[in-house]
Amino acid sequence: ETGVTQSPTHLIKTRGQQVTLRCSSQSGHNTVSWYQQALGQGPQFIFQYYREEENGRGNFPPRFSGLQFPNYSSELNVNALELDDSALYLCASSSHNEQFFGPGTRLTVL
Amino acid sequence: SQQGEEDPQALSIQEGENATMNCSYKTSINNLQWYRQNSGRGLVHLILIRSNEREKHSGRLRVTLDTSKKSSSLLITASRAADTASYFCATEGPNNAGNMLTFGGGTRLMVKP
Repeated sequence: ETGVTQSPTHLIKTRGQQVTLRCSSQSGHNTVSWYQQALGQGPQFIFQYYREEENGRGNFPPRFSGLQFPNYSSELNVNALELDDSALYLCASSSHNEQFFGPGTRLTVL
Repeated sequence: SQQGEEDPQALSIQEGENATMNCSYKTSINNLQWYRQNSGRGLVHLILIRSNEREKHSGRLRVTLDTSKKSSSLLITASRAADTASYFCATEGPNNAGNMLTFGGGTRLMVKP
């Protein structure tokens, strides 16, 4: 157990819909990163938040957006869902160099 | 895009044998980390090796890093059935935003009892 929680565990949506995924970071960690992991591949960095500000972004379109709250929990929002958005979404809170990953949210887009 | 390539993509061994996984990367790094993932769930941090280190040990794990070849290896000694999982290398580089990690494609390890 890393102390990082994510909700929901599983989610099924249809193309064009919008989705919000949530992450509670480990106590004391002010940095949260989000990753997308397609089936059979390694995770890909979406973006990172540090003290409620976006602190870096990977190669993902603007329909992927995020928020970090004063308690350092975070949300990932995806608009206009596409079939290729089906993946495991992982959040990680970090302290120094080590990142602590949550169990992930499995998103299926039909 | 993935920074690293892992080799092999899949590995099947008997319990008690050693397992070696290799990782190559493309750009300069601050550190390289290895993670384990069971059944498509969350990633567990195994070990971190800095760019100025050449070898690191943690229990049954041994990691080497060769920055001149941009490669790393993870050795699991005396493997157990419980080691069955996917293993990923991830790099953190000087040009990365924050402490963004760039992952390889992973090695799927199966340890047969």
